[in-house]
Amino acid sequence: QLQLQESGPGLMKASETLSLTCTVSGGSISSSSYYWGWIRQPPGKGLEWIGSMYYRGSAYYNPSLTSRGTIFVDTSKNQFSLKVSSVTAADTAVYYCARHMNWNDGFDIWGQGTMVTVSS
Amino acid sequence: DIQMTQSPSPLSASVGDRVTITCRPSQSISSYLNWFQQKPGKAPKLLIYAASNLQSGVPSRFSGSGSGTDFTLTISSLQPEDFATYYCQQSYSTPFTFGPGTTVDIK
Repeated sequence: QLQLQESGPGLMKASETLSLTCTVSGGSISSSSYYWGWIRQPPGKGLEWIGSMYYRGSAYYNPSLTSRGTIFVDTSKNQFSLKVSSVTAADTAVYYCARHMNWNDGFDIWGQGTMVTVSS
Repeated sequence: DIQMTQSPSPLSASVGDRVTITCRPSQSISSYLNWFQQKPGKAPKLLIYAASNLQSGVPSRFSGSGSGTDFTLTISSLQPEDFATYYCQQSYSTPFTFGPGTTVDIK
């Protein structure tokens, strides 16, 4: 059964670059038709889609990140990653990685989430 | 961006009640609408995809309907484990957007 697991820094300082990794187990990140995405949720608030990509294609991002975000895939490690530059307190959130089976389908498998706190 | 609204919020209900949550996007999204359930401290769980398709493993008391700009999630008989927050999400165009959530709590 496919599982996703996020890993990240936990606590970081404003202006630094956030790096998160999602490790895929129980299946291949290179499987056709699957897309891989990141979603975040500030404490006590709703869900925000950050971006998604196919393992060998372009990534699509939420413009709300103002070009600070990058998603990339490492097929050799069966992982995909998110980098967000110049973080501020507004980037404090639980970050989830997730899979969607087709581009227009819902996110059907999620990681447990990792909390990232940005201090000023 | 497509804005998503949900109603009601919150929603107070009792075990056994029939519950309906409405989701309205700011423009037509055909049937590209998904529903998620989230419990405190947990990741969201996909319930319904493409407006009316029940995700594998989800109890049949959950159902979805609608198209265009008007969608509903119905729980036919509310169970104790259904008290949670429900989000709709459009996958018609990027940026994918979620509704603000509807918290179903105990009446």
